[in-house]
Amino acid sequence: DAKTTQPTSMDCAEGRAANLPCNHSTISGNEYVYWYRQIHSQGPQYIIHGLKNNETNEMASLIITEDRKSSTLILPHATLRDTAVYYCIVRVASRGKLIFGQGTELSVKP
Amino acid sequence: DGGITQSPKYLFRKEGQNVTLSCEQNLNHDAMYWYRQDPGQGLRLIYYSQIVNDFQKGDIAEGYSVSREKKESFPLTVTSAQKNPTAFYLCASSGPRTIGATQYFGPGTRLTVL
Repeated sequence: DAKTTQPTSMDCAEGRAANLPCNHSTISGNEYVYWYRQIHSQGPQYIIHGLKNNETNEMASLIITEDRKSSTLILPHATLRDTAVYYCIVRVASRGKLIFGQGTELSVKP
Repeated sequence: DGGITQSPKYLFRKEGQNVTLSCEQNLNHDAMYWYRQDPGQGLRLIYYSQIVNDFQKGDIAEGYSVSREKKESFPLTVTSAQKNPTAFYLCASSGPRTIGATQYFGPGTRLTVL
């Protein structure tokens, strides 16, 4: 599975959009981009995933660049409860294992 | 209310004792997984099972054992052979049958060996 690079930490003001970047320059054609988040001492929570096209669900939007070498997770109106570590994972659909890196620690501040 | 349950949330054991962590899901998922997380680290795969009565070792299976007698249940036993058992243990499941389907996680069990 391709390696991902994320900033270690980010801050966001409550009510503003949080844009979390992820670099996956070695991604191959059959690898999906997944995003999970983990609030302290809880299990990871699935957010969204995509292959080529931009995706949106009730939690977030995923923007994947045309060359697929990077992506951005967007939380449109961040709340204090969105404070968590956000993981970007690149994965072949047929593989069972999820490889979690260090992630981005997002702090949403009042 | 569908989901994955792990019990207990906190578990304490003496060194040298085996301990079994519970994982149950009512999502009708075929595949189930066990991961381990150490402080400040990502998750590492211990074992996974794609179907009842079948399971495979992950990256760090030594000192652990599992069983999959029912679709809903995938218990993990941490044996005395596991050198550093204190960790946060996470169970996940995915379905339908495709192993690559999105994984959903339980709340975790924090094991402390004294």
